[in-house]
Amino acid sequence: EADIYQTPRYLVIGTGKKITLECSQTMGHDKMYWYQQDPGMELHLIHYSYGVNSTEKGDLSSESTVSRIRTEHFPLTLESARPSHTSQYLCASSDRGRGGRETQYFGPGTRLLVL
Amino acid sequence: KNQVEQSPQSLIILEGKNCTLQCNYTVSPFSNLRWYKQDTGRGPVSLTIMTFSENTKSNGRYTATLDADTKQSSLHITASQLSDSASYICVVSAFTSGTYKYIFGTGTRLKVLA
Repeated sequence: EADIYQTPRYLVIGTGKKITLECSQTMGHDKMYWYQQDPGMELHLIHYSYGVNSTEKGDLSSESTVSRIRTEHFPLTLESARPSHTSQYLCASSDRGRGGRETQYFGPGTRLLVL
Repeated sequence: KNQVEQSPQSLIILEGKNCTLQCNYTVSPFSNLRWYKQDTGRGPVSLTIMTFSENTKSNGRYTATLDADTKQSSLHITASQLSDSASYICVVSAFTSGTYKYIFGTGTRLKVLA
């Protein structure tokens, strides 16, 4: 079991509210990621970070923003939630790996419902 | 274009039976291939990882194979249990420009019935 945590696990919120999804890992990994996953669909990368003060947008365009002030912490923020943001958000981190074995470890996810 | 395709999309089997899930990929430059198990509402958990030089890897009742020539992988589940009901995701990583890029398949949803 990986030491990567996400809170809240479930969130139901009204349109227009600001929300922050928390992600933290205790493995000292430099690389962290946020994925968005709709039910029964594949994971889509929305943000990633290769270290403190480094953030990049992923393959899927997202209205969310992220920050990386500390190695262990990678929060995702939606300034104004909309029903189209309803989805599952998965946080992951990866080790350096050796011999091509870099491994991603995933958190349990946050299921967001925007009414 | 880097792609990972999985089949079947969904599968229903009886408890105790074996099954095999398929993964075909067009990813370059290939670094490794990993199978994940994702329970409903949870994050994916790694089952096996194989690099270019490995053609089989086992983890308990799960056995993954890799044919780097045909760019195909399979995940074989032996003596299935109810707890095997989950989505199984094939993820291929490419190492390019000094960093890893992960390409996810859409997964196979497995349901094991008593």
